[in-house]
Amino acid sequence: GAVVSQHPSRVICKSGTSVKIECRSLDFQATTMFWYRQFPKKSLMLMATSNEGSKATYEQGVEKDKFLINHASLTLSTLTVTSAHPEDSSFYICSARDARGGGSFDNEQFFGPGTRLTVL
Amino acid sequence: AQRVTQPEKLLSVFKGAPVELKCNYSYSGSPELFWYVQYSRQRLQLLLRHISRESIKGFTADLNKGETSFHLKKPFAQEEDSAMYYCALGSARQLTFGSGTQLTVLP
Repeated sequence: GAVVSQHPSRVICKSGTSVKIECRSLDFQATTMFWYRQFPKKSLMLMATSNEGSKATYEQGVEKDKFLINHASLTLSTLTVTSAHPEDSSFYICSARDARGGGSFDNEQFFGPGTRLTVL
Repeated sequence: AQRVTQPEKLLSVFKGAPVELKCNYSYSGSPELFWYVQYSRQRLQLLLRHISRESIKGFTADLNKGETSFHLKKPFAQEEDSAMYYCALGSARQLTFGSGTQLTVLP
């Protein structure tokens, strides 16, 4: 159980175009999903927290207008990289927290396989 | 603010040798600590969490509040343990990750 999928797994786009990445919880409901960015040989950097039915909370330094997040349902969150530039090339990972919450479920997150974005 | 420190970026041990991956944290509240593992070409997955006090794949980790540490240990490393290991601190329903330690178990 607790599977999170991401689509696409890999995308290459031209500079200036927008790219949408989907994150789905397949067998559980997730009121909260998280979007991370992982740089080569470095840790995961939290970009934003996505709450179902409300606006995302962005971490300091992350441009809201560039990284649009939508969490329209309990099983789907999307990240749209708008007007992508080569410096946006990275590995984007989403995670989801079980909506049950409480006790040991409060902080545990289940991770997607990641999306490799390359902007030419 | 919370902080997780993993001092070793790379760690190599021989098969059958003990291994310890260090993790220290800084947090003013009551911490919830996790170890996540990422095998080559696979997604990040939970290895263990301190509240469970369990042993997974032979790994254990004890929360030491006095030393603010949550080191990951295994008495006899196996080649299949080679992976990237991340220590994480859960707070305010978020996870703060350490920078990770790449463990290589040599034959």
